[in-house]
Amino acid sequence: DTAVSQTPKYLVTQMGNDKSIKCEQNLGHDTMYWYKQDSKKFLKIMFSYNNKELIINETVPNRFSPKSPDKAHLNLHINSLELGDSAVYFCASSQGTGINSPLHFGNGTRLTVT
Amino acid sequence: AQRVTQPEKLLSVFKGAPVELKCNYSYSGSPELFWYVQYSRQRLQLLLRHISRESIKGFTADLNKGETSFHLKKPFAQEEDSAMYYCAPLNTGTASKLTFGTGTRLQVTL
Repeated sequence: DTAVSQTPKYLVTQMGNDKSIKCEQNLGHDTMYWYKQDSKKFLKIMFSYNNKELIINETVPNRFSPKSPDKAHLNLHINSLELGDSAVYFCASSQGTGINSPLHFGNGTRLTVT
Repeated sequence: AQRVTQPEKLLSVFKGAPVELKCNYSYSGSPELFWYVQYSRQRLQLLLRHISRESIKGFTADLNKGETSFHLKKPFAQEEDSAMYYCAPLNTGTASKLTFGTGTRLQVTL
């Protein structure tokens, strides 16, 4: 009955590879997000989708491409992985985007690029 | 530029001591403010929000518009309060987004 689930939990890969992280929410929320948490625990928004439409796209390299096949899923594909991509990636969802719509986070995916 | 600052990376207090986690923001208009918490091996979750004027797990946060601060306080720290705390203003612009501060790790020791 997990609300926001991400897979995989851990991902270790080599530089140059392409990888995907999947996220699913069963809360019926309209909005989903990807956040990146670096080694210093700084949490920064990357993307946001509302009803499958991209509404926030922060300054993120083109190698990162989100895909939302439906409003319950938001996947993150990363091409040509670099060492600096190593971080914990959090998926989140919310009912809307206003002040009464707290974010519900997944457990995170720890990506290690070697 | 819009910015949120949590000046302390680590705050270590003894059990039973008062706690104050600082948060200052620099935003145009009047953003809504939240505190999120991440306990060890758990997901990030909402602790409290300014608009609700609530006290959660003994924590309160007062919005001081003059000082542009939203400090998180608790009169008596408990061991289970040890966690990472993030202050998060909500930018209600064209596309509302929650921006997190750099976080403060609270360590409560015996």
